Amino acid sequence: DIQMTQSPSSLSASVGDRVTITCRASESISTYLNWYQQKPGEAPKVLISAASSLQNGVPSRFTGSGSGTDFTLTITSLQPEDSATYYCQQSYSSPRFTFGQGTKLQIK
Amino acid sequence: QVQLQQSGPGLVKPSQTLSLTCAISGDSVSSNSAAWNWIRQSPSRGLEWLGGTYYRSTWYRNYASSVNGRITINADTSKNQFSLQLDSVTPEDTAMYYCARTGWGPTYDYWGQGSLVTVSS
Repeated sequence: DIQMTQSPSSLSASVGDRVTITCRASESISTYLNWYQQKPGEAPKVLISAASSLQNGVPSRFTGSGSGTDFTLTITSLQPEDSATYYCQQSYSSPRFTFGQGTKLQIK
Repeated sequence: QVQLQQSGPGLVKPSQTLSLTCAISGDSVSSNSAAWNWIRQSPSRGLEWLGGTYYRSTWYRNYASSVNGRITINADTSKNQFSLQLDSVTPEDTAMYYCARTGWGPTYDYWGQGSLVTVSS
């Protein structure tokens, strides 16, 4: 299975800050990379698909980039409601999609 | 709007079978463009895809190697739902279980509400 490694595992930032989360795949996955946001007590919600395609209704302060093995999720102008755990997920090796271990974002 | 509604017991005894059902509204379990999956989440294993089923003129099922041999996923077209059975459970199978649709992307674009299943005597 393709392994997904995220960093950092947690971070703390202030309202208005810019944060970046990285995700590395154990082999090349082209742009078959999705980002999810999960808040406590809820199921994950897809934010970005195909590495950089913003899902309908997701604020434009969320940006994804990358290809091959290295990807980033950037959140600009951080808002209190962005407090959540973020997961990357590869969709290259269908149907065995695998997730990163998650990055917990705390808003100070 | 697609909605997935999960049901099933929250407590299962060790060595017994875990059974969950996911009822679909707003789509069809026989859709030619979707797949239907079970995913679990635990502190020790994170988000883990367990398996899925889909229809492309015939039914296909795929299972994760970690649970292969213990897992069965079935679709019920008459009720527009799909189910998970996990046999011979141990406390390590304690987790939040989700059903989810594979849609465009591909992504898991719709999820059930989650079912916390505890394996304990």
